[in-house]
Amino acid sequence: SYVLTQSLSMSVAPGETARISCGGSNLQSYSVYWYQHVPGQAPLLLIYYDQYRPSAIPERFSGSKSGDTATLTIDAVEVGDEADYYCQMWGPSSTALPVFGGGTHLTVL
Amino acid sequence: QVELVQSGAQMKQPGSSVQLSCKAPGNIFDRYGISWLRRAPGQPLEWMGVVVPLFDVKTFAQKFHDRITITADKSTNTAYLDMNNLNSDDTAVYYCARVKLGNSWHFDLWGRGTLVTVSS
Repeated sequence: SYVLTQSLSMSVAPGETARISCGGSNLQSYSVYWYQHVPGQAPLLLIYYDQYRPSAIPERFSGSKSGDTATLTIDAVEVGDEADYYCQMWGPSSTALPVFGGGTHLTVL
Repeated sequence: QVELVQSGAQMKQPGSSVQLSCKAPGNIFDRYGISWLRRAPGQPLEWMGVVVPLFDVKTFAQKFHDRITITADKSTNTAYLDMNNLNSDDTAVYYCARVKLGNSWHFDLWGRGTLVTVSS
C-alpha cells in the first residue's frame, strides 16, 4: 500500500519559519493536501492541490512540491501553530483510497 | 457558519456496537461525500471509510471493512458510522469529514469529533 513519510516532530521558535516535508513514491503525480490538527479540535484543511489555500487560512501557510516531496511552510510561526500536521493524497479514481502521512508534531518553543 | 455536527460522547463495553452520527448543512450529498476518520490516543489520524451517494460509492479501509457500515440519509443530510465488536483499541475520537469531489478528493470540512471510550 502507498506510504507518505513525514518526520515525527520538529521545533521552532516563535517568528521563525517551519518547513514540514512529506515524501512518497511518484508523489509528483498526485495532488497533496495538508491538515492542521490540534487535539481536541476539528482538523483543518490548510492546503489543497499542492499549493492553494482556503480563504480562511492565513498567508503564512504555504504549500509546494518538488519531485516526490511536498513541503508545508509556515512563516512567522506563532505559539498557536503548535499542532500536528498531516499530509494526504488520494488516488485519481473513485476506487482509490486516501493515504495520510504519519503526522509531524510542531512544537513552538 | 457551515459545520458538521457530530453526536455526543459514548462509553461502550468491549464486544458491543456503536452508532455515531454527523449532520451536515443543506443537501450535502448532492455535491459531496462523507468520510469517517479517527484518532486514538498517541496515534495519527486514521481513515476508516467514505460514502459518496452521488456516485453510489462506499469504500472502507481494509482494517475496518468487516466491522463498520457507513450510511447516508439524504432526507436528513446525516451520515452514520456503525461499528461492531468494539475493543479497547477502538477508544478514540471519531471525526466525520466532508469529501470535496473532483479530480482529486480531499476533506474540506471536519466535525469536532465524538469521543468513544471502550472499557469494561
